[in-house]
Amino acid sequence: QLQLQESGPGLVKPSETLSLTCTVSGGSISSSSYYWGWIRQPPGKGLEWIGSIYYSGSTYYNPSLKSRVTISVDTSKNQFSLKLSSVTAADTAVYYCARHFKGWFDPWGQGTLVTVSS
Amino acid sequence: EIVLTQSPGTLSLSPGERATLSCRASQSVSSSYLAWYQQKPGQAPRLLIYGASSRATGIPDRFSGSGSGTDFTLTISRLEPEDFAVYYCQQYGSSPNSFGQGTKLEIK
Repeated sequence: QLQLQESGPGLVKPSETLSLTCTVSGGSISSSSYYWGWIRQPPGKGLEWIGSIYYSGSTYYNPSLKSRVTISVDTSKNQFSLKLSSVTAADTAVYYCARHFKGWFDPWGQGTLVTVSS
Repeated sequence: EIVLTQSPGTLSLSPGERATLSCRASQSVSSSYLAWYQQKPGQAPRLLIYGASSRATGIPDRFSGSGSGTDFTLTISRLEPEDFAVYYCQQYGSSPNSFGQGTKLEIK
């Protein structure tokens, strides 16, 4: 069955760039039916969609984060990645990757906590 | 952006009871493009319902979704111990897609 796994540093300094990778297994990221998305959840708070990418590289982002976000895909590795620049403490969150199909997200990775602190 | 407001914030019920969770949108959600998720502590959200009323694969039939326009409901007919969790609604009819703030379903 399809599984997603986030990876990357758990601690990022303020003003630096957060970088995470999502590895997809049990299926191809190049499937024509799906987008692949990033969602985050600050500790004790709700969910916020960050952005999504198609295997061709086509992206769309949440306007609230668009100026700082870049999502890319590497089909040869079955991975997609998130970069969030100029981070502050407000970017501290659990970051999830998920398959984005017709608007909803399913399945999700287990999530990775990224803390922004000096 | 469509704002989703979930109510109540916390719902206290006993196993075997019926749970009714509400999700209200600030604008009409086109084509009932609304999903529900369940999240347990330390876990990722799990898709329960999409298209307002279609159950995702493997979801028990005690979970049902209904509604259209701006008012949507998730109903759990008979609560099982494993159903106590936080529930989120998400609209994907308008970009950017957005989530509600969640309803915590706790054991009474």
